[in-house]
Amino acid sequence: AQTVTQSQPEMSVQEAETVTLSCTYDTSESDYYLFWYKQPPSRQMILVIRQEAYKQQNATENRFSVNFQKAAKSFSLKISDSQLGDAAMYFCALTSGTYKYIFGTGTRLKVLA
Amino acid sequence: ETGVTQTPRHLVMGMTNKKSLKCEQHLGHNAMYWYKQSAKKPLELMFVYNFKEQTENNSVPSRFSPECPNSSHLFLHLHTLQPEDSALYLCASSQDMGLTGSSYNSPLHFGNGTRLTVT
Repeated sequence: AQTVTQSQPEMSVQEAETVTLSCTYDTSESDYYLFWYKQPPSRQMILVIRQEAYKQQNATENRFSVNFQKAAKSFSLKISDSQLGDAAMYFCALTSGTYKYIFGTGTRLKVLA
Repeated sequence: ETGVTQTPRHLVMGMTNKKSLKCEQHLGHNAMYWYKQSAKKPLELMFVYNFKEQTENNSVPSRFSPECPNSSHLFLHLHTLQPEDSALYLCASSQDMGLTGSSYNSPLHFGNGTRLTVT
């Protein structure tokens, strides 16, 4: 069975600072994909960043980057220069390419002005 | 334009009511999903439709009945729900990019959800 664990229910960061959200996963598949989704108060889940497991290079999207440690099955999200608009729930997700996406329980990020 | 539109945004219904949730995607995707999101729990996959055919039914009670008339529209019909069914119901879509022997789907694109309260 595949699992995704987010051990930080809530995190806070000062505006303009950097924060890292943790995610660990477990899968027996050799080929899979990892995602970070953001869910603001508007409730829509928005894709932040994705990583293909076969790629060694960590994905980056502007201020968002990941630290993908395949052997440790770790997939953390780093947000640089945090902005008030980054406040949201962040979900880590895993799929092995089928229709089954496994989500973590989420981390609520608060950005302090 | 979110690409995936859900209506209604909020719904309050009694346990004996019948109501339907609607989802429409404008992204040209061929797979659509219903997820249930409850507080402090991971998203629960309920149903998946690929090319209008149901490919997943994740042990969902029969009081939830999905319908997918075409690849752009998805409904969730609700009947005799229980208070524990109160949750945020999210619709999503993706593009099946799989070729023969491959099954990769594009990332999920979500709607804004329907907040359902069963009284």
